[in-house]
Amino acid sequence: DTAVSQTPKYLVTQMGNDKSIKCEQNLGHDTMYWYKQDSKKFLKIMFSYNNKELIINETVPNRFSPKSPDKAHLNLHINSLELGDSAVYFCASSQGGGRSNQPQHFGDGTRLSIL
Amino acid sequence: GESVGLHLPTLSVQEGDNSIINCAYSNSASDYFIWYKQESGKGPQFIIDIRSNMDKRQGQRVTVLLNKTVKHLSLQIAATQPGDSAVYFCAESSGANSKLTFGKGITLSVRP
Repeated sequence: DTAVSQTPKYLVTQMGNDKSIKCEQNLGHDTMYWYKQDSKKFLKIMFSYNNKELIINETVPNRFSPKSPDKAHLNLHINSLELGDSAVYFCASSQGGGRSNQPQHFGDGTRLSIL
Repeated sequence: GESVGLHLPTLSVQEGDNSIINCAYSNSASDYFIWYKQESGKGPQFIIDIRSNMDKRQGQRVTVLLNKTVKHLSLQIAATQPGDSAVYFCAESSGANSKLTFGKGITLSVRP
C-alpha cells in the first residue's frame, strides 16, 4: 500500500552514462515533485508537475529532464551523469499544487552513486 | 536570498522529556509552514503544518507554534520517545505554486 514509490532504490553507475528514475503515486494527487538531497541532508526542489504540466523548474542542468506521462507518474531522466550528481533523489506528491498548499508526501528516495 | 534555517544542528533529550525544535525563516511573504521527520534510509514524513492565519496548531504529541512577528517556527514534541529520534526539517512556501523551501535538518537524539 505504498503511497509514493520510486525505483530503483539504489543506482550505481559510471560517469557519462544516462539513467532514469521512476516515480508513481497512488494517492490520487494532481501534483508531483522531484527533490535532490545532498550529503549534508539539504533538500532542494528540482521540478514540479501539476496535471502533467511543468510548474516549477529550478536552476537544474538541462541534462535533467522530467517526464510526466500521467498524473500518477513522474520520471526523471539524467543524461551524461557527473560526479556531482551523486545524491539521494526524492519524489513527492500533493493535491492542489498551483492553487493551494497541502502537505507533500515523499517516497523513500533513490540513492544515486556515480563512480 | 530567502532562507529557512534552524538554530541548532543537534538536539539531545532524555526519554520522556519534551523536545522543542526551533526554526527561523526570512521570507515575510511565507504563508504556509510544515514540519517533516526523516528517519535513516527513508523519505521525509509529514508531521504537522500550519498556515499564516494561525499561530498554534496541535497534533498527537506535537504542537507547532508560529510567530510571524519574529519569523519563528517551533515544533514541540511531548514525552519524547526513542522512536522520535530522526532528522527534523522545517519548510515554508509562499505564493501559489507550492514550492517548498527547506531549512537545514536538525538531528534529534533521544537518550534512554
